[in-house]
Amino acid sequence: DTAVSQTPKYLVTQMGNDKSIKCEQNLGHDTMYWYKQDSKKFLKIMFSYNNKELIINETVPNRFSPKSPDKAHLNLHINSLELGDSAVYFCASSLTSGRARRADTQYFGPGTRLTVL
Amino acid sequence: DAKTTQPPSMDCAEGRAANLPCNHSTISGNEYVYWYRQIHSQGPQYIIHGLKNNETNEMASLIITEDRKSSTLILPHATLRDTAVYYCIVRAYGGSQGNLIFGKGTKLSVKP
Repeated sequence: DTAVSQTPKYLVTQMGNDKSIKCEQNLGHDTMYWYKQDSKKFLKIMFSYNNKELIINETVPNRFSPKSPDKAHLNLHINSLELGDSAVYFCASSLTSGRARRADTQYFGPGTRLTVL
Repeated sequence: DAKTTQPPSMDCAEGRAANLPCNHSTISGNEYVYWYRQIHSQGPQYIIHGLKNNETNEMASLIITEDRKSSTLILPHATLRDTAVYYCIVRAYGGSQGNLIFGKGTKLSVKP
């Protein structure tokens, strides 16, 4: 009954490779996000998707591309991986429509630790 | 940049109330105060949020000053499992203004 899940939990790969991280939410939310937490523990927004439309793109390299096959999934594709991409990546989701008291609260997945060698 | 200021660390004795302060002197009228926490190696966890009234839920209480320039998160009976980094975030409701901008947070250590 996991609300926001990510796979894989750990990902170790070589520089230059292309990899994907998957995210799924079963909360019925309409917006999903990707965050990056670097070695200094700073959490920064990368992307969000609302109804299959990109609504935030915070100056991340175009090697990173979010892909949403449906409202419940937002996958993160990374091309030509670099050492600096090593970090923990968190997926999150929220419900942004309506006037529910807890609308727009973001719920996070467990994270994917990416290590680029 | 984060629009909040928090002490970098705090200690609390197990069973006692933990009071975590946050300054947000430039908060706008349409911005909420949100609190999240991150237990080691886990994803951030939503705790509570408020606009101007004090709020309470099963996890914590949020006290917002009348001028809304600061707030305090209260964990009424801290346990060892409450050891985490606590983030105070101000954000507008929805849309692109609804980004969660995380600062450095307060590392709360609950000690037996």
